[in-house]
Amino acid sequence: NAGVMQNPRHLVRRRGQEARLRCSPMKGHSHVYWYRQLPEEGLKFMVYLQKENIIDESGMPKERFSAEFPKEGPSILRIQQVVRGDSAAYFCASSPPGTGLYEQYFGPGTRLTVT
Amino acid sequence: EDQVTQSPEALRLQEGESSSLNCSYTVSGLRGLFWYRQDPGKGPEFLFTLYSAGEEKEKERLKATLTKKESFLHITAPKPEDSATYLCAVQAGGNDYKLSFGAGTTVTVRA
Repeated sequence: NAGVMQNPRHLVRRRGQEARLRCSPMKGHSHVYWYRQLPEEGLKFMVYLQKENIIDESGMPKERFSAEFPKEGPSILRIQQVVRGDSAAYFCASSPPGTGLYEQYFGPGTRLTVT
Repeated sequence: EDQVTQSPEALRLQEGESSSLNCSYTVSGLRGLFWYRQDPGKGPEFLFTLYSAGEEKEKERLKATLTKKESFLHITAPKPEDSATYLCAVQAGGNDYKLSFGAGTTVTVRA
């Protein structure tokens, strides 16, 4: 049973370019979460999505960042016009459908470097 | 706002030297407390979920406990392969499903 998959694992972008990070949840999971880990800081929640719906985007920066989880295909975290401060590890997690207490399983992360 | 504080920041142990990590939290209506392990360059790996005060969970050399204000992760007779950063996270109740993480405790076990 494959775990959460993220790609690319490493991404280098110049300032002003766009970054697209992809996440495929575990089989049978329909809830996806994105977290960011800045250097020397803890994991911070960004956004929670279900298929075709954004449920909670309270941790998402107001500008340049967007996320989607289409009916078909992976979840995408998109960062437009990247700046050096966007350099971080971005982790995706998934959990099963339902409203109970479920563990979130994390992917290996995408390490974004902005030059 | 949910707050999670882990201590100590770093812990250096000799192989076989047992110790405990602390996670204190402030949350409105705890749904669950989670422990994860993170190795350098990797994603967090799920270890335990604790739901209510008094609960305990064990896995190999690790044991997690929960009170109303804090959780402990006990490492018994650690081995070098237990070296990692251990993360504590809480999930509040209601419609809030995000995890709020502490900064982690980095454990180094020397042979």
